Amino acid sequence: AQSVSQHNHHVILSEAASLELGCNYSYGGTVNLFWYVQYPGQHLQLLLKYFSGDPLVKGIKGFEAEFIKSKFSFNLRKPSVQWSDTAEYFCAVNAHYGGATNKLIFGTGTLLAVQP
Amino acid sequence: ETGVTQTPRHLVMGMTNKKSLKCEQHLGHNAMYWYKQSAKKPLELMFVYNFKEQTENNSVPSRFSPECPNSSHLFLHLHTLQPEDSALYLCASSRDPVQPQHFGDGTRLSIL
Repeated sequence: AQSVSQHNHHVILSEAASLELGCNYSYGGTVNLFWYVQYPGQHLQLLLKYFSGDPLVKGIKGFEAEFIKSKFSFNLRKPSVQWSDTAEYFCAVNAHYGGATNKLIFGTGTLLAVQP
Repeated sequence: ETGVTQTPRHLVMGMTNKKSLKCEQHLGHNAMYWYKQSAKKPLELMFVYNFKEQTENNSVPSRFSPECPNSSHLFLHLHTLQPEDSALYLCASSRDPVQPQHFGDGTRLSIL
């Protein structure tokens, strides 16, 4: 069955540190990839997405992610985090089943705490 | 403001009660979704509707009954729930099942 793994459950960083959150998925076909973010007390919102083309995707607030097909990975990065980046980050994969319903599968999430 | 509104925000009910969760979207989307978010578990897809037709039931127990009267509204009818059903229930919508989803704030459900 299709699955999404986020290896870091809880990450604590100081401001200005660099961030990389891992995401791996288990599906060999065509996929659309997403990172969602949930700030404290707010709803889930889209951070960035990959559908096709350049595997390095830039999102909002200085975040980027790189799709490496050979590694089934879509890691999220930010060169310098801010206190306001404190949130929970979810990787999600939508697999194409060739005409059947697409399902968005989420990882367990990574809680990022940035210390001022 | 997400464009997806869920009511109520909090709900406490006994195991024998019947209640409904409501979701409304004003984004002109055609697909709507129910998810369950429990602590330390991935977000679980429950149901998918596309153009008012149910296209996915992810092995959800029959004590959860969805209803989609039109593309803007989605309900989740609840009856004889169990304590393990306590969770945050999220509604989402998207232009189609492939496009990014927009989420509501959720309904925090507690079963006594």
